[in-house]
Amino acid sequence: ILNVEQSPQSLHVQEGDSTNFTCSFPSSNFYALHWYRWETAKSPEALFVMTLNGDEKKKGRISATLNTKEGYSYLYIKGSQPEDSATYLCAPHGGKLIFGQGTTLQVKP
Amino acid sequence: DVKVTQSSRYLVKRTGEKVFLECVQDMDHENMFWYRQDPGLGLRLIYFSYDVKMKEKGDIPEGYSVSREKKERFSLILESASTNQTSMYLCASRKTGQNYGYTFGSGTRLTVV
Repeated sequence: ILNVEQSPQSLHVQEGDSTNFTCSFPSSNFYALHWYRWETAKSPEALFVMTLNGDEKKKGRISATLNTKEGYSYLYIKGSQPEDSATYLCAPHGGKLIFGQGTTLQVKP
Repeated sequence: DVKVTQSSRYLVKRTGEKVFLECVQDMDHENMFWYRQDPGLGLRLIYFSYDVKMKEKGDIPEGYSVSREKKERFSLILESASTNQTSMYLCASRKTGQNYGYTFGSGTRLTVV
């Protein structure tokens, strides 16, 4: 079973701040890395699926990078908005998907 | 535009009852999954299925079983519900292939009393 660590566990920022989170995972037996956004009372929503070392993906103000050799991924949010408030989950896929416990972001207006 | 449907949003059952949680997807996905989510423990995999009539144990299969008789439907069964199975249950599906993410249902909040 992969050991997935996300940091920080929670984060409070002001509207307009940029922020980033970290996902660490064992680099062996790597297949893909998923990022999901989970808003309260909704289903987790897929943000990115990343497979190659050095991958960078972007969706609006959110972007992610991947380093499979050292086993980490960063998620960046530029100019945070209140609607970005959610829990962000990373999940490395090495045969099956194992979720981290997430980083909960609260953006204050 | 609902793609993964879970039959109940909230469910209350008594200890010892047999409970069925149903999940249906309309995207022709090969793979389906059942997770439970508990505070401080994150999402944990109970069972998954790669094809019709196939099932694999996840990380916490004890006390659960599953059924996949049709491609679009994946049922989670609590043979004899216990209070420690009170949780949020999430179903997900995924197309086979490295670049595909999971599509989740809206969840079933089960309370066992």
